[in-house]
Amino acid sequence: DQQVKQNSPSLSVQEGRISILNCDYTNSMFDYFLWYKKYPAEGPTFLISISSIKDKNEDGRFTVFLNKSAKHLSLHIVPSQPGDSAVYFCAAAGATNKLIFGTGTLLAVQP
Amino acid sequence: GAVVSQHPSWVICKSGTSVKIECRSLDFQATTMFWYRQFPKQSLMLMATSNEGSKATYEQGVEKDKFLINHASLTLSTLTVTSAHPEDSSFYICSARDGWGVTDTQYFGPGTRLTVL
Repeated sequence: DQQVKQNSPSLSVQEGRISILNCDYTNSMFDYFLWYKKYPAEGPTFLISISSIKDKNEDGRFTVFLNKSAKHLSLHIVPSQPGDSAVYFCAAAGATNKLIFGTGTLLAVQP
Repeated sequence: GAVVSQHPSWVICKSGTSVKIECRSLDFQATTMFWYRQFPKQSLMLMATSNEGSKATYEQGVEKDKFLINHASLTLSTLTVTSAHPEDSSFYICSARDGWGVTDTQYFGPGTRLTVL
């Protein structure tokens, strides 16, 4: 039972344009959401997070949006850069403090 | 940012042998360490959570006698895959957190690729 889903396994975007990565979840008890970025042969690195009391959090080129009623969050990267090419995982957590990860989306930013 | 190392980065072993993977937090003390495994094109699946000096808490379906976890100090946790079989071949990733809450950042190691022949 996949509680956190990333339905797009891959996404290709032109440099300078916006990248939008999507994530859906099924457990309404999740109250904290994170995005991680992963390069090949490396562990995931934390990117940005959002609490369920907010609907938007911004950090430089990265913005995460949360729509609790739709159980959906998205990560916007603007402008996209070739160095952003990586696998992006969304993760969710609730009262257990454990992170539940999605399957990842491979982002390719074309120069 | 904080650094978590794993050793070895890859290992090939024969079926029936045991393999130990180390996870170290290099510049901070980890209140909690986590072990994940990842199959190709799948998400990171939490195997167990360990706190320094206490027994690990395993997720449902994870055999604690097969995947031995020792959290000997605030900077070191080890995962031993005992009597490894080909189906244990996977990518194992540890993470460490300096704090008790989910809002405390988890820092991930680079992972260990285990191949059991």
